[in-house]
Amino acid sequence: SQTIHQWPATLVQPVGSPLSLECTVEGTSNPNLYWYRQAAGRGLQLLFYSVGIGQISSEVPQNLSASRPQDRQFILSSKKLLLSDSGFYLCAWRSIRVLTDTQYFGPGTRLTVL
Amino acid sequence: DAKTTQPNSMESNEEEPVHLPCNHSTISGTDYIHWYRQLPSQGPEYVIHGLTSNVNNRMASLAIAEDRKSSTLILHRATLRDAAVYYCILRPPGRGSQGNLIFGKGTKLSVKP
Repeated sequence: SQTIHQWPATLVQPVGSPLSLECTVEGTSNPNLYWYRQAAGRGLQLLFYSVGIGQISSEVPQNLSASRPQDRQFILSSKKLLLSDSGFYLCAWRSIRVLTDTQYFGPGTRLTVL
Repeated sequence: DAKTTQPNSMESNEEEPVHLPCNHSTISGTDYIHWYRQLPSQGPEYVIHGLTSNVNNRMASLAIAEDRKSSTLILHRATLRDAAVYYCILRPPGRGSQGNLIFGKGTKLSVKP
């Protein structure tokens, strides 16, 4: 069966510090991978998606970046965090073999920037 | 992507059925209807999806109107663990290679003991 992991679960970082969030998927190959952010009391906003190793598409311009160094690893980074980067970060995967676009989400990372 | 309309919130009593409506009058003929839910402090969880026929799984049932302009997610016996935000999302199959889901505000379901 497939599983998706995210770490850390929670993170408190000062403004201006770097960020690295990691997501890994097990039990599938060549998935589409996604990073979403959910600000407090808001809906989910798609940040990045990837259809393969080294292939990243950005949905929202900002001070965040994403990388996919391996097939089942997706990393969200920032060189300098802003207060507005606080939120609940979710990674998701989708099988390209399934036509219906069902996505499976990880447990999330709650980031607080102080 | 076609738009969906859901009530902001609904309340239910424990062990009673819950019918969560979704209107999607601009749905196209090939759009799948997906439902996800998000429990507090967790990531969204896939619930069910369908195209034209009603669908059942271990979590819920999905009733799709004959004209497909609306659908209803049915929880047969609500439990306290079903308290969550429920999202109704339309997706055309295999659109491009990204498969992005666009989440609206959803319906916040409260379950009373």
